[in-house]
Amino acid sequence: EIVLTQSPGTLSLSPGERATLSCRASQSVSSTYLAWYQQKFGQAPRLLIYGASSRATGIPDRFSGSGSGTDFTLTISRLEPEDFAVYYCHQYGSSPRTFGQGTKVEIK
Amino acid sequence: EVQLLESGGGLVQPGGSLRLSCAASGFTFSSHAMNWVRQAPGKGLECVSAINAAGSGTYYADSVKGRFTISRDNSKHMMFLQMNSLRAEDTAVYYCAKGVETSGYTAFDYWGQGSLVTVSS
Repeated sequence: EIVLTQSPGTLSLSPGERATLSCRASQSVSSTYLAWYQQKFGQAPRLLIYGASSRATGIPDRFSGSGSGTDFTLTISRLEPEDFAVYYCHQYGSSPRTFGQGTKVEIK
Repeated sequence: EVQLLESGGGLVQPGGSLRLSCAASGFTFSSHAMNWVRQAPGKGLECVSAINAAGSGTYYADSVKGRFTISRDNSKHMMFLQMNSLRAEDTAVYYCAKGVETSGYTAFDYWGQGSLVTVSS
């Protein structure tokens, strides 16, 4: 099983600042099958990034994904008030499909 | 507009059964894998089960293998999850999620609002 470890657990930032979220895999993620989701309290997750770096439909370009192998990053270039939420990485190239434990981005 | 609407959740005793349904609209249902993802209260996300576009291939998490069965009816744009021998640890919100691709190896680009399953005596 590929274990995804996200860091930090909580990121305290102000609107307008840059957010850098990390997702490290215990084994190489095949064919860059790595996605990022945003979840706000009481809502379903929303796909932000798939294939490690492809933005999903309707996602603003302040969200970007990068990485390969075992190290992946989600960057939010300038935080907007609506970006404060929990973010999950997800690998879907190997069974079992697994999620990271989440990074909470909170207002400082 | 893509819409996914789950139904069938509720309170059930340990050892009982429930059948979740997901009604899909707004996209070519028969061209996309479909998935069930659950989230226990205050916890993270878990991929429970997946089915490819044709319904010929399925995936189950080890935690539900042998107890849950996923299926789909492409003619009715519906997906189902039959859950038997339910345990307290199956308590969660169950989300129906549309796959980006036809195969089960896919990210999930649209999600339903979720259906709460509570297993308790």
